[in-house]
Amino acid sequence: GNSVTQMEGPVTLSEEAFLTINCTYTATGYPSLFWYVQYPGEGLQLLLKATKADDKGSNKGFEATYRKETTSFHLEKGSVQVSDSAVYFCASGDNYGQNFVFGPGTRLSVLP
Amino acid sequence: EAQVTQNPRYLITVTGKKLTVTCSQNMNHEYMSWYRQDPGLGLRQIYYSMNVEVTDKGDVPEGYKVSRKEKRNFPLILESPSPNQTSLYFCASSLLDSDNEQFFGPGTRLTVL
Repeated sequence: GNSVTQMEGPVTLSEEAFLTINCTYTATGYPSLFWYVQYPGEGLQLLLKATKADDKGSNKGFEATYRKETTSFHLEKGSVQVSDSAVYFCASGDNYGQNFVFGPGTRLSVLP
Repeated sequence: EAQVTQNPRYLITVTGKKLTVTCSQNMNHEYMSWYRQDPGLGLRQIYYSMNVEVTDKGDVPEGYKVSRKEKRNFPLILESPSPNQTSLYFCASSLLDSDNEQFFGPGTRLTVL
């Protein structure tokens, strides 16, 4: 079945630092890829998504590009803020509700 | 407001006492799913449903039941809860299309003593 691997956390950065959280996937087909964010005490919110190869998802300064050749969907942000402190989950899902899987999550702490 | 709601948000119970966690969505989504979140394991899918009266097992279905009698509701039933079912549970829903974006409820924190 499909699976998602993402870098182990926690990740601690200073404000305005550059962020990369690595994510790779395995799938038999061509899944859609997602980054979800979970703020303390809350549910998951969709941060960004990409549905096909070479698509770039972006939102709130975060970006990720669907790389089919490296089966990756790394999350990046040029300048993090304290308010970005959260747990980030990479996920993949096939079309029409099939095989939706999450990575284990990466906890990000941004210090002022 | 488009949303997924879950009740209760917090529940403490004892081993063997049947319980139901409700989930409801108002977006007319065909697909609904239950996940549990445990430290270091991320989210694992328990059951999912692609339409009314259509349900299927996810990765960790043991000890759980679901039903989908109406499109908007997808309750999670624990017939005989055990301490290893202590977890944070999330319900999610989505349209059944090529995009597959899921919308999540706020979570239910369950403790089984």
